Amino acid sequence: QSALTQPASVSGSPGQSITISCTGTSSDVGGYNYVSWYQQHPGKAPKLMIYEVSNRPSGVSNRFSGSKSGNTASLTISGLQAEDEADYYCSSYTSSSTLVFGGGTQLTVL
Amino acid sequence: QITLKESGPTLVKPTQTLTLTCTFSGFSLSTSGVGVGWIRQPPGKALEWLALIYWDDDKRYSPSLKSRLTITKDTSKNQVVLTMTNMDPVDTATYYCAHSRPVATYFDYWGQGTLVTVSS
Repeated sequence: QSALTQPASVSGSPGQSITISCTGTSSDVGGYNYVSWYQQHPGKAPKLMIYEVSNRPSGVSNRFSGSKSGNTASLTISGLQAEDEADYYCSSYTSSSTLVFGGGTQLTVL
Repeated sequence: QITLKESGPTLVKPTQTLTLTCTFSGFSLSTSGVGVGWIRQPPGKALEWLALIYWDDDKRYSPSLKSRLTITKDTSKNQVVLTMTNMDPVDTATYYCAHSRPVATYFDYWGQGTLVTVSS
């Protein structure tokens, strides 16, 4: 299985909205509503931000939202804040009953 | 409160076998649907999913590493063990274990990770 495709980097100014894409195939992203997103600050463990495409765990800001269209899932962060600067990873369940991560996206808040 | 902690050697030699232990609390691996997985991250690189074991001893492995990985659980000790054979310098990474909720395909709690360096 190949890693899901994410842009290497995205950036935005405080208050703006940004979207990170995650492209897979019909055997993973497109085939299941089992896409999740993780935030990782330097030197820290990943933190679950979105699960099952668009659900937010308790305690995660509603500025974070997820969606999916075809083989591409997206994470949108609205009202960008300095603390959102981090790496973001998508993950998907696959037709082989395994999991696969994306290559990661570095978010810079200008 | 769910917590997980990885333990094992920080340095292994090429060709050796790595054994990592994930010790957890706040949940039981005998609860229907619960799983514990392993994920690694080479320095400066992306996350890579390695393996997952479920409450019923169902095991899943990364296709690219399947031949080198073994995941087991000891429910009485609240531990999950991952072994990886024939270690190579490219396997240098931070190894994380994480909790998966029943009928879930994501990890909601993660350990702090342990850095394993492969070098002679």
